[in-house]
Amino acid sequence: AQTVTQSQPEMSVQEAETVTLSCTYDTSESNYYLFWYKQPPSRQMILVIRQEAYKQQNATENRFSVNFQKAAKSFSLKISDSQLGDTAMYFCAFMNPGGGADGLTFGKGTHLIIQP
Amino acid sequence: EAGVAQSPRYKIIEKRQSVAFWCNPISGHATLYWYQQILGQGPKLLIQFQNNGVVDDSQLPKDRFSAERLKGVDSTLKIQPAKLEDSAVYLCASSFYFGLAWSQYFGPGTRLLVL
Repeated sequence: AQTVTQSQPEMSVQEAETVTLSCTYDTSESNYYLFWYKQPPSRQMILVIRQEAYKQQNATENRFSVNFQKAAKSFSLKISDSQLGDTAMYFCAFMNPGGGADGLTFGKGTHLIIQP
Repeated sequence: EAGVAQSPRYKIIEKRQSVAFWCNPISGHATLYWYQQILGQGPKLLIQFQNNGVVDDSQLPKDRFSAERLKGVDSTLKIQPAKLEDSAVYLCASSFYFGLAWSQYFGPGTRLLVL
């Protein structure tokens, strides 16, 4: 079974700063997907960024980028020029597409607070 | 494009009562998931449907939880009888494959409080 670990329960930074959220995972699979999801207070989960394990290039979506280290099983999220609207719970998630069962395995989350 | 719809948004029940949640996935999404998110934790997969068939229910407490997806569209998740530890947010999600890309979209969730 796969496990996902987020070791930072809470982080707080000033607006416009850069922040990095950490995630490690454990799997014996070679083909998988990794995700970062954002869950604002009392609002639904939305996808921030996705990384396919077969791709060596790190994914980027505007101010959000990842540092994917496959050998180290590490998948961190960097948020540049942080904004007040980035305040939310951030969840790292793993998916193995093999066999048709492709539900997500989530970490416990990191509560990110952007201070004005 | 309409998102994943869920109802009710909130439910309060007494322990040992039964409760049901409803989910309508994004149109055209063949795969539907139910997750349980206990306060302070990440979501945990309960069951996955592909069309109207079950793909994975290995983490579903089958002595009290049941789910169905008739006609391969809407789905209901039922708890009978509820326990205090079932207090959580129940999230429904649906997914599609586009080329080699895979995305899963979540609904707003149903917040259940068992007293």
